[in-house]
Amino acid sequence: DARVTQTPRHKVTEMGQEVTMRCQPILGHNTVFWYRQTMMQGLELLAYFRNRAPLDDSGMPKDRFSAEMPDATLATLKIQPSEPRDSAVYFCASGLVSGAEAFFGQGTRLTVV
Amino acid sequence: AQTVTQSQPEMSVQEAETVTLSCTYDTSENNYYLFWYKQPPSRQMILVIRQEAYKQQNATENRFSVNFQKAAKSFSLKISDSQLGDTAMYFCAFVSYDMRFGAGTRLTVKP
Repeated sequence: DARVTQTPRHKVTEMGQEVTMRCQPILGHNTVFWYRQTMMQGLELLAYFRNRAPLDDSGMPKDRFSAEMPDATLATLKIQPSEPRDSAVYFCASGLVSGAEAFFGQGTRLTVV
Repeated sequence: AQTVTQSQPEMSVQEAETVTLSCTYDTSENNYYLFWYKQPPSRQMILVIRQEAYKQQNATENRFSVNFQKAAKSFSLKISDSQLGDTAMYFCAFVSYDMRFGAGTRLTVKP
């Protein structure tokens, strides 16, 4: 059963610490999205990759967030330094360039204290 | 950038009844996809149904169907024979070169 895998599922960290979230997309999918979900802002698109190349990261705070895709089986989202306002659920989704399907991981709930 | 609007923050329906969730979008593109996702309290995002813009026929998946009006840029979701397990947040998504979501509609199915 193909699925998108995100780790960790939960993360509690202190302000100022570095946080790394990982995503394993579905094999064969060539597009990876990162979203942040909060009550106030809904689902915000942070960045996305196509064939491992970053296409758009305009939704990310550039000074502290970075997204990479070192290989086809791994995408990472890093926050350094983390702040309490970064507390949210972060989702990764993978899909096909045709747009025919897009599936989500279970998300990482991040709490910055 | 494309925008997606869900104008109903909350809705409720009696079990076994039918409910329709609204979604409109703004785009200048001709080729795209539209999705409806369900997010239950478990927070998992579950793909409910998808529609290709080039297809005139409305998509149907069991109790879920859509009313796709391309000229009006409207994409509503109809849930027939509502069940308690349908209680969730529902998000409309527009997919072209990226994937953008509406703010969501919280649906409660009442026994």
